[in-house]
Amino acid sequence: KAGVTQTPRYLIKTRGQQVTLSCSPISGHRSVSWYQQTPGQGLQFLFEYFSETQRNKGNFPGRFSGRQFSNSRSEMNVSTLELGDSALYLCASSPQGEGIVTDTQYFGPGTRLTVL
Amino acid sequence: QKEVEQNSGPLSVPEGAIASLNCTYSDRGSQSFFWYRQYSGKSPELIMFIYSNGDKEDGRFTAQLNKASQYVSLLIRDSQPSDSATYLCAVTGYSGGYQKVTFGTGTKLQVIP
Repeated sequence: KAGVTQTPRYLIKTRGQQVTLSCSPISGHRSVSWYQQTPGQGLQFLFEYFSETQRNKGNFPGRFSGRQFSNSRSEMNVSTLELGDSALYLCASSPQGEGIVTDTQYFGPGTRLTVL
Repeated sequence: QKEVEQNSGPLSVPEGAIASLNCTYSDRGSQSFFWYRQYSGKSPELIMFIYSNGDKEDGRFTAQLNKASQYVSLLIRDSQPSDSATYLCAVTGYSGGYQKVTFGTGTKLQVIP
């Protein structure tokens, strides 16, 4: 099976702009989670989608949003970009659909976002 | 106090030795515990998970969980240079009606040939 794919792999934006990142899960996986990874804060959970509904969320401001489509593909949007949003954004999918408490996460290669 | 704490390292061990990686967590209600390995420039990949107190073995890897003391560890036996990576501890549970996962900042392991 093909792994989790993310597009684009690299992105450069300026402050105040918005950005949309895309994630295609492993075939058959219905849960998609998003994470932000920075050198200072490490890997932080943004939110999880299952069956087109946001099922769980972390402690990020409302500028960070997402959605999931009927084919399980997911997008993440960040509005009004700030310099501190520069990070590696990772998407992960999981097969069981039971939630992040017990499911194994299979990570994609990530999108490197740089905000100037 | 961070929710999940790991020593950042680097932890240097000679090839063939046992590497011991530790992780402590603050939420007593935590449910599941995962160890991920992340090579430089790559995304995390699961090594193993543990739910219950005690030891769980998978090949050269053993996870140990002690909920009373709120720590989880990963032992790597017969360490190989290919084990050199950053190891992330992830702890899951519930908060405010939502499921949550919290990662430690990782321990960098260096296996010296």
